[in-house]
Amino acid sequence: DIQMTQSPSSLPASVGDTVTITCRASQNIRRYLNWYQQKPGKAPKLLIYDASSLQSGVPSRFSGSGSGTDFTLTISSLQPEDFATYYCHHRYNIPQTFGQGTKVDIK
Amino acid sequence: QVQLVQSGAEVKKPGASVKVSCKASGYTFPSYAVSWVRQAPGQGLEWMGWISAYNGNTDYAQKFQGRVTMTTDTSTSTAYMELRNLRFDDTAVYYCARDRSTAEPAVIDYWGQGTLVTVS
Repeated sequence: DIQMTQSPSSLPASVGDTVTITCRASQNIRRYLNWYQQKPGKAPKLLIYDASSLQSGVPSRFSGSGSGTDFTLTISSLQPEDFATYYCHHRYNIPQTFGQGTKVDIK
Repeated sequence: QVQLVQSGAEVKKPGASVKVSCKASGYTFPSYAVSWVRQAPGQGLEWMGWISAYNGNTDYAQKFQGRVTMTTDTSTSTAYMELRNLRFDDTAVYYCARDRSTAEPAVIDYWGQGTLVTVS
C-alpha cells in the first residue's frame, strides 16, 4: 500500500496567515492526489483534485501543487472558516489511502 | 444539488453484520460510482472500496476482502455496504461518497453525512 505522510500534524495559525501543508507519497503517484477539508462532526469536503485543480465552489485562496511524491496545499489569507483538519488522498492504485491529517487551529 | 443521505446509526454485537444504505439524488446515479470510506473515533480516513453504479463492478481494499459487499440499486439510486463478522475495531463512522468515474476508482467529490456503527 502507498503510504501518505503529511506534515505538520498540527499547525497553529492566525486569520490572514498563509499556511502550507505538505504531503509525501511513498512512491510515485504522478498527479493523482486530492485534498479534503474536514470539520468536527462533518463529512470531508473536496478542495483540490489531481494535485492542482480547484473543485467547483471552493474559494481561490486554496491551491495545490506537486507531482510524483511531493505535494503541497496552500491556503492564502486564512479565514475563520478554514480552521479544520486537512487530508491528502491518493487515487493512483488500490487501495486508495489518506494521509493522517493536519489540524489547522487557532494560534 | 448532489445529495447522499445515509441510513441511521447502528449498534451491533461482535460477529454480527451491518448493512448501511446511501440514497443519492441530484445527479444521474448510473453515470457515477460510489466509494465507501470509514473513520474510527478520533482517527483518520480509511478507504474501503468502490462500486460502479453503471455496471456493478467493484474494487475492495484487500483488508476488507471476504467481509464486505457493496451493491447498488439503480431503480432507487441507492448504494449499500454490508460488513460481516464485525469486530470491536470496526466501530467507526462509515461514509458513502460519489466517485466521478464508472471505470475505476477516481476522484471522490461529494460525501454522505456518515453513519455511526458501534460494535459493542
